[in-house]
Amino acid sequence: GAVVSQHPSWVICKSGTSVKIECRSLDFQATTMFWYRQFPKQSLMLMATSNEGSKATYEQGVEKDKFLINHASLTLSTLTVTSAHPEDSSFYICSARPSREIYEQYFGPGTRLTVT
Amino acid sequence: AQKITQTQPGMFVQEKEAVTLDCTYDTSDPSYGLFWYKQPSSGEMIFLIYQGSYDQQNATEGRYSLNFQKARKSANLVISASQLGDSAMYFCAMRALLGDTGRRALTFGSGTRLQVQP
Repeated sequence: GAVVSQHPSWVICKSGTSVKIECRSLDFQATTMFWYRQFPKQSLMLMATSNEGSKATYEQGVEKDKFLINHASLTLSTLTVTSAHPEDSSFYICSARPSREIYEQYFGPGTRLTVT
Repeated sequence: AQKITQTQPGMFVQEKEAVTLDCTYDTSDPSYGLFWYKQPSSGEMIFLIYQGSYDQQNATEGRYSLNFQKARKSANLVISASQLGDSAMYFCAMRALLGDTGRRALTFGSGTRLQVQP
């Protein structure tokens, strides 16, 4: 089956620093990747949609300058949390959709970010 | 705007019994898809089952079946013969047009925590 990996699986950083999270589709090419955020005991909220080679589309309320998304290749998208603050602490999950599929999305295992 | 509603924050079921997790939705998009995902404590999202808006028959995948009632805009998940390993958070999701954006994306419900008791 299609596999999506995320790295790191967890990270602790100090307030004011930046953190980069990688999302890779391991055995398929993904023209579209999605980034979600999940607070404890809450649902997944879509942050942005990224298409390979173009700028990401951010959902309302998501700061573009704070959450930088780059989709440089068909197998890699990165989310950089810039100048992180404790309120950015959350579970970040990416998903990828193969270009040949019309609906299926494959999710990564998630990255738990803690900002101290 | 699209909306997904899961009204059961938590459910208990006895091992080997069947359980139904409720999900209702609302969208103006005539071409939408409905999904169920399982999220164990590890956090990974596990795809369970999919139903397209034009599918005539209810989707089934092993012990999972989706009770799709289009007129009532409901897409309940039925798990038969519950197992201890089924204990997890379950999310209903819908892929449909996001307002006037012209884009389609997955919107998730608030989830139902299922606990299977021995």
